[in-house]
Amino acid sequence: GAVVSQHPSWVICKSGTSVKIECRSLDFQATTMFWYRQFPKQSLMLMATSNEGSKATYEQGVEKDKFLINHASLTLSTLTVTSAHPEDSSFYICSARPGQGRSYEQYFGPGTRLTVT
Amino acid sequence: DQQVKQNSPSLSVQEGRISILNCDYTNSMFDYFLWYKKYPAEGPTFLISISSIKDKNEDGRFTVFLNKSAKHLSLHIVPSQPGDSAVYFCAAVYGGATNKLIFGTGTLLAVQP
Repeated sequence: GAVVSQHPSWVICKSGTSVKIECRSLDFQATTMFWYRQFPKQSLMLMATSNEGSKATYEQGVEKDKFLINHASLTLSTLTVTSAHPEDSSFYICSARPGQGRSYEQYFGPGTRLTVT
Repeated sequence: DQQVKQNSPSLSVQEGRISILNCDYTNSMFDYFLWYKKYPAEGPTFLISISSIKDKNEDGRFTVFLNKSAKHLSLHIVPSQPGDSAVYFCAAVYGGATNKLIFGTGTLLAVQP
């Protein structure tokens, strides 16, 4: 159990366009989902925390107008990278926390590789 | 400011031997620690965790040790297997309601057959 999927697994887009990444919890309800990004050979950096039905909380230094997060249901959160630029190229990973799970319990998706040309 | 550090970017171990991965942290407010395993282009998978009130937790081949006074934890894998080759991240959780995971920088473990 506790499977989290992401779609797409990889995407290439042109500079200036927007890209949407989906994160789904397949067999549990997730009241909270997290979005991370990872640069090559670096740690996972938390970008934002989203709670179902409310606005996301962004970490310091993350532009909320650039990285739009929507957590419309208990099984789906989306991250939209708006007006993407080459520096946004990265590996984006989501995680989901079960509604009844322990507070630190998170299950991670497989990640989405974004390349902006 | 990196609050969770893994000072060894890589480690190579012979199959059957012990692998010891280390992690240091600076914030005494962390109350829970986790270890994750990650393959390239995949999300991390949970391995083992430990509460700050404990000093050891064991699960099969994996044991995590916590030294609060030194703000140091380690993951022991015995015996190491080639399938253990991956990047290992330690992560810490702030106490309270935030429940944010703060990840270390990762250690690439290579288990040689």
